[in-house]
Amino acid sequence: GAVVSQHPSWVICKSGTSVKIECRSLDFQATTMFWYRQFPKQSLMLMATSNEGSKATYEQGVEKDKFLINHASLTLSTLTVTSAHPEDSSFYICSARDRGKSNTGELFFGEGSRLTVL
Amino acid sequence: SQQGEEDPQALSIQEGENATMNCSYKTSINNLQWYRQNSGRGLVHLILIRSNEREKHSGRLRVTLDTSKKSSSLLITASRAADTASYFCATSEQQAGTALIFGKGTTLSVSS
Repeated sequence: GAVVSQHPSWVICKSGTSVKIECRSLDFQATTMFWYRQFPKQSLMLMATSNEGSKATYEQGVEKDKFLINHASLTLSTLTVTSAHPEDSSFYICSARDRGKSNTGELFFGEGSRLTVL
Repeated sequence: SQQGEEDPQALSIQEGENATMNCSYKTSINNLQWYRQNSGRGLVHLILIRSNEREKHSGRLRVTLDTSKKSSSLLITASRAADTASYFCATSEQQAGTALIFGKGTTLSVSS
């Protein structure tokens, strides 16, 4: 089956620093990747849609200058949380759509990255 | 944005009992999917039902979809302690390539 790898799985950083999270599709090409955020005991909230070779599309209320998304290749998208603050502490999950199965609607999810900002 | 509600928010049952979770959504959809999430982990895809399907089975899982009511249900039969997790429905809108929008989820606890 399709595998999406996220790295790091958890990270602790000091307030004011930037953190980069990688999302890789290991055995398929993903023209589109999606980034979600999940607070404790809550559901997943879509942050942005990342398209290979073009700018990401952000959902309303998500600051594009704070959450930088880069999708430089068909297998890699990165999310950088810039100048992180404690309120950015959350579980970040990426998902990818298989380029060859774009009509199925199925997304493949990474294992998530837990960010804790001190 | 979120599509809608899951009902109930929390469900506690004994092993062997059936668990039913409901999901409502707001927009027209291409398909509806159910996912499972163990605490602090990623999502596991359970089942996908298309908008032209009414019922689907996979092992101990049974999913129904009523597009006229914009609702779906997930039934887990003969539950096990290992089924303890959060369950989310997610919808894909009719436009191809759109993201999945998740419901609020149901937390299921199965005690032995």
